[in-house]
Amino acid sequence: AQKVTQAQTEISVVEKEDVTLDCVYETRDTTYYLFWYKQPPSGELVFLIRRNSFDEQNEISGRYSWNFQKSTSSFNFTITASQVVDSAVYFCALSEGSGGSNYKLTFGKGTLLTVNP
Amino acid sequence: DVKVTQSSRYLVKRTGEKVFLECVQDMDHENMFWYRQDPGLGLRLIYFSYDVKMKEKGDIPEGYSVSREKKERFSLILESASTNQTSMYLCASTLLPLTAANYGYTFGSGTRLTVV
Repeated sequence: AQKVTQAQTEISVVEKEDVTLDCVYETRDTTYYLFWYKQPPSGELVFLIRRNSFDEQNEISGRYSWNFQKSTSSFNFTITASQVVDSAVYFCALSEGSGGSNYKLTFGKGTLLTVNP
Repeated sequence: DVKVTQSSRYLVKRTGEKVFLECVQDMDHENMFWYRQDPGLGLRLIYFSYDVKMKEKGDIPEGYSVSREKKERFSLILESASTNQTSMYLCASTLLPLTAANYGYTFGSGTRLTVV
């Protein structure tokens, strides 16, 4: 069965600090997809990134970067120079992609990030 | 942009009532999902559907049923609402297969259901 663990329940930082959100996953599939979503106080889930299991290249998008390591089953998310607007709950999620009806998305419990001015 | 629309943002129902939560997507997606979100528990899958009239149980299906009569609409039904079903309910859809062009799952804005 697939599982996602976000060990950090809450993180609080001061603006301009860098912060890393951890995500560890478990799956038996060789083909799978990893996601990060942001949920601001408004409640809507905002897609941030999707990574395929066969592509371990790390990615940077502005102040956001993601480190995918299959050897440790981790997909960590770093925000550089955090801002107050980054305050939200962040979810890591896993989808097994072996076909059929196996595309359900399993979420971690989320990390509440608070960025203080 | 793909849109997933949930019919109500807030809903208050009485214990024992039959409750329908509606979800509509406008991009011909095969897969649709219902999740509930509770503090400290993240999002948990209730049911999903990969085609019209097809459904599969998720991780917490007890007390719920679903209906998918048309491809664009996926309804979550609480046959007899109870207070422990007070929660935020999120609907999602996705196109198969996941490709470079199709990044993944689109979520609705959620329905906050309170059962009193």
